[in-house]
Amino acid sequence: AQSVAQPEDQVNVAEGNPLTVKCTYSVSGNPYLFWYVQYPNRGLQFLLKYITGDNLVKGSYGFEAEFNKSQTSFHLKKPSALVSDSALYFCAVRVLPSSNTGKLIFGQGTTLQVKP
Amino acid sequence: GAVVSQHPSRVICKSGTSVKIECRSLDFQATTMFWYRQFPKKSLMLMATSNEGSKATYEQGVEKDKFLINHASLTLSTLTVTSAHPEDSSFYICSARDIGLAGTQYFGPGTRLTVL
Repeated sequence: AQSVAQPEDQVNVAEGNPLTVKCTYSVSGNPYLFWYVQYPNRGLQFLLKYITGDNLVKGSYGFEAEFNKSQTSFHLKKPSALVSDSALYFCAVRVLPSSNTGKLIFGQGTTLQVKP
Repeated sequence: GAVVSQHPSRVICKSGTSVKIECRSLDFQATTMFWYRQFPKKSLMLMATSNEGSKATYEQGVEKDKFLINHASLTLSTLTVTSAHPEDSSFYICSARDIGLAGTQYFGPGTRLTVL
């Protein structure tokens, strides 16, 4: 079965320190990978995606993610965390071929808490 | 950037009544829109996928007669919760995908439904 795992329910980091939010996936076929962020009582905001090409993807708000095919991972990173980065983060994967609708499969989410 | 709006943002209704939620892609055309339900501090549960001009595809366990979806144009999809009950209270989020399966899904801000 296809799945996405975010092994940490919560990540705590001090402001100014680097942060990593982990994501691993299990799919058949080539994955399209996405990261979204959700603030309280809001919808999801798109951060970045990996489709093909360079394994290091840069996205919004200084975030980046590295696609690692051998480890089937797509960890989200930021060199220097801000208190305003505190939110709920979702990793998602879309799998082709187009025999399905190409719907996203979401991880369970990781709460990032950045402390001053 | 791509914007998806949702209306209303919050609705309170009496048990037995029907509620309609609108989802619009404001600056792009979306052949495919998605409807999700999210419980507190939980990941998103896909309810259905709607393609413009055709019937929606519902996920297993989602009652299509209860959650009516209409995708009449490339920029508008509606979800109607019919004969709502307190257990339908939830946070409903729509999403629209720009052209093609490789396209990014953009999410609306969500609708908080409370059924009394």
